[in-house]
Amino acid sequence: DGGITQSPKYLFRKEGQNVTLSCEQNLNHDAMYWYRQDPGQGLRLIYYSQIVNDFQKGDIAEGYSVSREKKESFPLTVTSAQKNPTAFYLCASSIGQGWDQPQHFGDGTRLSIL
Amino acid sequence: QQPVQSPQAVILREGEDAVINCSSSKALYSVHWYRQKHGEAPVFLMILLKGGEQMRHEKISASFNEKKQQSSLYLTASQLSYSGTYFCGTESSGTYKYIFGTGTRLKVLA
Repeated sequence: DGGITQSPKYLFRKEGQNVTLSCEQNLNHDAMYWYRQDPGQGLRLIYYSQIVNDFQKGDIAEGYSVSREKKESFPLTVTSAQKNPTAFYLCASSIGQGWDQPQHFGDGTRLSIL
Repeated sequence: QQPVQSPQAVILREGEDAVINCSSSKALYSVHWYRQKHGEAPVFLMILLKGGEQMRHEKISASFNEKKQQSSLYLTASQLSYSGTYFCGTESSGTYKYIFGTGTRLKVLA
């Protein structure tokens, strides 16, 4: 079955450490997204990518970095510059950037600070 | 800029109806509706496109108002499985970014 796989499900970060969240999709979708969700809050866009080797900042990109070297992969690195990284991180993809395309989500990664 | 949803929370009995609104200061060209269960990823329900067609998913439907600055989600004869947080999503005006609304928590009681 096609879908989006995020790993790990739970992740703990030490002070000053960079951590990378994995997102892989086998839906052959062009566009991929990273969102952050804090408890009781909505989803905020971190980064998005419409095609391979290209990505744009969302509303809260500071302290995060991404790469899109392959169509099916869009990893997110939470750097030590992100001072409050504890949140639920969701990766999503859509066929294209058009607004008539729904987004499909992975099961998320919960990141906490040790 | 973020669409505002109302109400923020609603509790209803199984079989009752509910309406959730998603309002923007500018015209909405398309609106997506998602439902998120606690601790899970959002699940796509439907898209409402520029033409304003009323879309339907099971006993859930959506429409635009006349000025297309508000979309409403109608849940008819609610079921226990309808419980969750509902989000609308749309484009950020003037950009290609995708933004979600503030969310509406819905709880259906037996």
